[in-house]
Amino acid sequence: GAVVSQHPSRVICKSGTSVKIECRSLDFQATTMFWYRQFPKQSLMLMATSNEGSKATYEQGVEKDKFLINHASLTLSTLTVTSAHPEDSSFYICSAPGTGSGNTIYFGEGSWLTVV
Amino acid sequence: KQEVTQIPAALSVPEGENLVLNCSFTDSAIYNLQWFRQDPGKGLTSLLLIQSSQREQTSGRLNASLDKSSGRSTLYIAASQPGDSATYLCAVNPGGYNKLIFGAGTRLAVHP
Repeated sequence: GAVVSQHPSRVICKSGTSVKIECRSLDFQATTMFWYRQFPKQSLMLMATSNEGSKATYEQGVEKDKFLINHASLTLSTLTVTSAHPEDSSFYICSAPGTGSGNTIYFGEGSWLTVV
Repeated sequence: KQEVTQIPAALSVPEGENLVLNCSFTDSAIYNLQWFRQDPGKGLTSLLLIQSSQREQTSGRLNASLDKSSGRSTLYIAASQPGDSATYLCAVNPGGYNKLIFGAGTRLAVHP
C-alpha cells in the first residue's frame, strides 16, 4: 500500500537555528502534500498545503516566512522551521492523498521537534 | 466554519466490551469522513473512510457509520482488546481538497 515517510522522527535544536523536516511519498506521486502541527493533547491543525512546482498556500495565522515549504519533486516536500523558538516545539506531520480509488489520505509517521 | 467534536474525550473499558465513539460536525456539506488511530507519539493510521454518499463502512471489528444530514459519525469497536488502546481521531474532508479538519480525539484505554 501507499506509504508516506517522514524524516527525522525526532529532532532537538537550539533556539534560533533552523530545522528541516522531509516528507516523502514512497510508492506514489503526490502533487499536493499537507503539513499539520499537533501540540500535546490537542488535535492536528493544518498549517499549509504544499504544491509541487509552485508556492505553498498557508492557513490563516501561519507565518509563511517562518515555516518554509518546498515541494521540488512529485515525491518530496520539505518543511523548514526557521529561527526556531521553544514555542515551535511540537509534533509535525505530513499527509498526501493517495492516487487510487477511495480517496484515502496517507500520513507520515510524524516528527517531534524540541527547541531548547 | 466547520468544527469537529468528539465525545467522549477519554474512555477506559475492560477488555471484551463493545464501545461507540462519537464524532459530530457542524457543516453537513462534506466530501468524506475518515477515522484514524494514533498511538502515543506516533503518526496516524487510517481505519475507515466513508464517502458522503455512504452510510457505513466495516473493517474487521470496526464499523463506522455516517449520518451526514445530522452531522454525525460513530465508530463502533466490537470485542475491544488491550491492543485497541490509542487515540481515535475523526476527520472531515470538507470540499474534496484533502484539507482535513480533525476532532480532538477520544483517548481509549482497554484494560485486561
